[in-house]
Amino acid sequence: SQTIHQWPATLVQPVGSPLSLECTVEGTSNPNLYWYRQAAGRGLQLLFYSVGIGQISSEVPQNLSASRPQDRQFILSSKKLLLSDSGFYLCAWSVPGAGQPQHFGDGTRLSIL
Amino acid sequence: AQSVAQPEDQVNVAEGNPLTVKCTYSVSGNPYLFWYVQYPNRGLQFLLKYITGDNLVKGSYGFEAEFNKSQTSFHLKKPSALVSDSALYFCAVRASNAGKSTFGDGTTLTVKP
Repeated sequence: SQTIHQWPATLVQPVGSPLSLECTVEGTSNPNLYWYRQAAGRGLQLLFYSVGIGQISSEVPQNLSASRPQDRQFILSSKKLLLSDSGFYLCAWSVPGAGQPQHFGDGTRLSIL
Repeated sequence: AQSVAQPEDQVNVAEGNPLTVKCTYSVSGNPYLFWYVQYPNRGLQFLLKYITGDNLVKGSYGFEAEFNKSQTSFHLKKPSALVSDSALYFCAVRASNAGKSTFGDGTTLTVKP
């Protein structure tokens, strides 16, 4: 069966520090991969999505970036965190195709001090 | 363009009563519609989807949803609510030719004993 791993579960970082969040998927090949941010337990903001290695679509211009160095690995990064980067970050995968649901990891709660 | 609206931030029901969580959508072409549930500090879990065919879709944990094309709605329903159904519910839409889904802002369901 397919599983998605996301770590760390919680992270506290100072303003201006770098960030690296990692997400890996097991049990499937060539998945679509997604990074979302959720503020205050409400709506989801799509940050990036990827349909293949090295193929990244950015949805929101900001100081975050994403990379997909391997088929089932998706990394969210920042060179310098801002206070506004605080939130709950969720990684998700889906089988390619418009009718396929997304499957989410359990998220990383990021607090910026 | 595609969009989805969940008109109620909060829905309260008594245990054993039927529940409805509302969702309306706007999309060009045929819609693919999804419902997800999120428990505190967890990722979203897929409940059910409508792609084509029967307007009444059955999903996990006894939930079902009714697709209504004329009203552009996809309301989530359950005949008898459980306290354990208390969670945040998200509706999502994706056009058949779209690269990504659009999520609603979520509805908090509270089931009281």
